[in-house]
Amino acid sequence: DQQVKQNSPSLSVQEGRISILNCDYTNSMFDYFLWYKKYPAEGPTFLISISSIKDKNEDGRFTVFLNKSAKHLSLHIVPSQPGDSAVYFCGRGNTPLVFGKGTRLSVIA
Amino acid sequence: DAGVIQSPRHEVTEMGQEVTLRCKPISGHNSLFWYRQTMMRGLELLIYFNNNVPIDDSGMPEDRFSAKMPNASFSTLKIQPSEPRDSAVYFCASSPGLNGGNTIYFGEGSWLTVV
Repeated sequence: DQQVKQNSPSLSVQEGRISILNCDYTNSMFDYFLWYKKYPAEGPTFLISISSIKDKNEDGRFTVFLNKSAKHLSLHIVPSQPGDSAVYFCGRGNTPLVFGKGTRLSVIA
Repeated sequence: DAGVIQSPRHEVTEMGQEVTLRCKPISGHNSLFWYRQTMMRGLELLIYFNNNVPIDDSGMPEDRFSAKMPNASFSTLKIQPSEPRDSAVYFCASSPGLNGGNTIYFGEGSWLTVV
């Protein structure tokens, strides 16, 4: 039972362009969603979150959008930088935190 | 603050051997989580504790896997006997509590290779 799904295992984007990472979820009862970022040989780190009462949350270059009717959330990174190259996991925040399989973002200089 | 500390960082072992992974959560955190990362399954939750008590171990793949948390500052994940398909990165994470708004903090992971 995969509660959150990231259907794109990888994404390549040119530096300076927008990166859009997508995530779908199955349970409308989730009230909190998070994105984590993972560099090689490191543990995942918290990036940004969104409450289900909102449809957008912004933090600098990172914006998360929540579409409750479609059970879909997305992470936008604008502009993308080479240092953003990492694996991004979306997760539903109701404890315990359950993640999708991740999307590997490569930002090409 | 030291963060979540895991040991060993790397372990190579032969099939059939016992493997013990260790974790020290962030001081003051009441909840502890064990995750495993593989290419096929991504980041999957194995088990989690709250106040040293196991809450849900339904993610533990087989009886060969066991986890303990004897006190608030230490947890172990044991695999006995280990198999090549157990090769993965195992992460320990902790959070202040089980409130859905709490961020969880990951250790750097234990890279396990079973040959």
